Amino acid sequence: KNEVEQSPQNLTAQEGEFITINCSYSVGISALHWLQQHPGGGIVSLFMLSSGKKKHGRLIATINIQEKHSSLHITASHPRDSAVYICAVTNYGGSQGNLIFGKGTKLSVKP
Amino acid sequence: NAGVTQTPKFQVLKTGQSMTLQCAQDMNHEYMSWYRQDPGMGLRLIHYSVGAGITDQGEVPNGYNVSRSTTEDFPLRLLSAAPSQTSVYFCASSIGRGGHDEQFFGPGTRLTVL
Repeated sequence: KNEVEQSPQNLTAQEGEFITINCSYSVGISALHWLQQHPGGGIVSLFMLSSGKKKHGRLIATINIQEKHSSLHITASHPRDSAVYICAVTNYGGSQGNLIFGKGTKLSVKP
Repeated sequence: NAGVTQTPKFQVLKTGQSMTLQCAQDMNHEYMSWYRQDPGMGLRLIHYSVGAGITDQGEVPNGYNVSRSTTEDFPLRLLSAAPSQTSVYFCASSIGRGGHDEQFFGPGTRLTVL
């Protein structure tokens, strides 16, 4: 069983829709990261969080430590949001705090 | 700042050839790492470094070698390329230890081994 599971694997939405991507993990963590991988391949960090909620523009990330679950929400989605969204966790007590990655959620937003 | 740079962007090798993937960062980050990304799998850690002169193995280190002689540079060497090493390789860096800080990724190197 993967230590970091994302759902759904693929998601197609219409422009303007509210989108939720989920991440569940099975290890104790000290931080959780949401990353965005553009169609061209580049990866950028969106959020790093260890509790509560963070917001940046139309993106909101939440985490529930007790439930071992995080969500990434996109409000008023736009075609430029089309990308692969990757959840990664920092294993608490793991060697040097290395990251464990989910397989990603591929989002396609249609105009 | 250029951030994290990687060269080359694309490379085709024959089985048995060796090569070095270059990675450099200009943010004075202590932690640098190499990942490979394969279809249907999450990013997997190959090697990492917590500072100049210090390197360690990640999840999939076999067939790869690294060194860290300066804070800025972290090259990845393929000793004798195999088709199983066909992948997209990403270098990343962060200011501090591993996943406790924001991660900065290079643009990736797409490697094909024939």
